[in-house]
Amino acid sequence: DTGVSQDPRHKITKRGQNVTFRCDPISEHNRLYWYRQTLGQGPEFLTYFQNEAQLEKSRLLSDRFSAERPKGSFSTLEIQRTEQGDSAMYLCASSAGQGGNQPQHFGDGTRLSIL
Amino acid sequence: GENVEQHPSTLSVQEGDSAVIKCTYSDSASNYFPWYKQELGKRPQLIIDIRSNVGEKKDQRIAVTLNKTAKHFSLHITETQPEDSAVYFCAARYNNNDMRFGAGTRLTVKP
Repeated sequence: DTGVSQDPRHKITKRGQNVTFRCDPISEHNRLYWYRQTLGQGPEFLTYFQNEAQLEKSRLLSDRFSAERPKGSFSTLEIQRTEQGDSAMYLCASSAGQGGNQPQHFGDGTRLSIL
Repeated sequence: GENVEQHPSTLSVQEGDSAVIKCTYSDSASNYFPWYKQELGKRPQLIIDIRSNVGEKKDQRIAVTLNKTAKHFSLHITETQPEDSAVYFCAARYNNNDMRFGAGTRLTVKP
């Protein structure tokens, strides 16, 4: 197992376009998290899944953002009608167990640039 | 809202010296506190974590202390090496689910 993987590593798109990112967690991990990180800041929580159920969404997650984890394995994060303020690094993390106090392991992230 | 405050934002030490980074949190229900190291262009990597039932944890040159009464926790790195140079983030589990991160400390270890 090679850890959490994210695809693509970089995405450049024009404002107004839709983008979709993919995250493959560590195989035995049932929790999957999405974060956003801007330059000079720590990761900001967006949403998380317990298996296929999306259990919590941050107020940061506007209605243009949607995340899915249909089979409880990989997850996708879609941003519709992108805005320049969406430019950031989108990080995925996964953890084992049922509770939230297990170590989260991060992927390399997808860097989104909006032109 | 609930915040994690981290300081200093930058820290420069001489190789071999110790480095200390401090964080405070506001949610008294928080019970899990990880520390991550992030090198430029790379993923955050967990270096140590502590749960609220202990006051201190050590792993070789790295230690973390937790004061639940005061709601603060600290990272201690001893005998620093140039490869310790990176951005360090503290975090606290908030509301039983999501993690709140500090803004980061850029540590530079000068040879």
